[in-house]
Amino acid sequence: EAQVTQNPRYLITVTGKKLTVTCSQNMNHEYMSWYRQDPGLGLRQIYYSMNVEVTDKGDVPEGYKVSRKEKRNFPLILESPSPNQTSLYFCASSTGLAGGLAKNIQYFGAGTRLSVL
Amino acid sequence: AQSVTQPDIHITVSEGASLELRCNYSYGATPYLFWYVQSPGQGLQLLLKYFSGDTLVQGIKGFEAEFKRSQSSFNLRKPSVHWSDAAEYFCAVGARNQGGKLIFGQGTELSVKP
Repeated sequence: EAQVTQNPRYLITVTGKKLTVTCSQNMNHEYMSWYRQDPGLGLRQIYYSMNVEVTDKGDVPEGYKVSRKEKRNFPLILESPSPNQTSLYFCASSTGLAGGLAKNIQYFGAGTRLSVL
Repeated sequence: AQSVTQPDIHITVSEGASLELRCNYSYGATPYLFWYVQSPGQGLQLLLKYFSGDTLVQGIKGFEAEFKRSQSSFNLRKPSVHWSDAAEYFCAVGARNQGGKLIFGQGTELSVKP
């Protein structure tokens, strides 16, 4: 089954304690992305990756890091979490524009709800 | 700048009634547009998409949307709402740069009355 898997689904942590949220996709997609969802703001892109070892900032990258060492994995790293990073996080993947617009459908993971105390 | 606006934060409809969720976009080129639905505790599921051609697109679960270039709108409709349609709905425009990222609206929460 084609899917995007995020772990953990729920996480409570304290300010300053480094954490990693994992994301894995089994569709051989080139493009992967992280979004955060906040009430009244919709989803905003944090970082994206167009292929292995190619990553770039989205609209709200401050306080986050990513890496793309393998095609299937795109972890989100919070080196020193702060309360304003309390949010619902989504990972997504797609073929990217290389496959043509009509095929560039983003598939989303189930989300990770993070609380930073 | 590219943006998407969903004017209605929360809508309540009665089961069996018709539904229209509004979406307006701002985009310099020909947009490609999406509607996603998020059920409580779930990820986002694609309802339908528009890339080109017929401006009335059909999606899953009985939803449809109409692209109106003159109004910069892509409203979502359903003729008869079911209680299971209660969810949050997001309109998004696909950017042609940055690998094709999605720019989302703020979302519309739909409640369904029995």
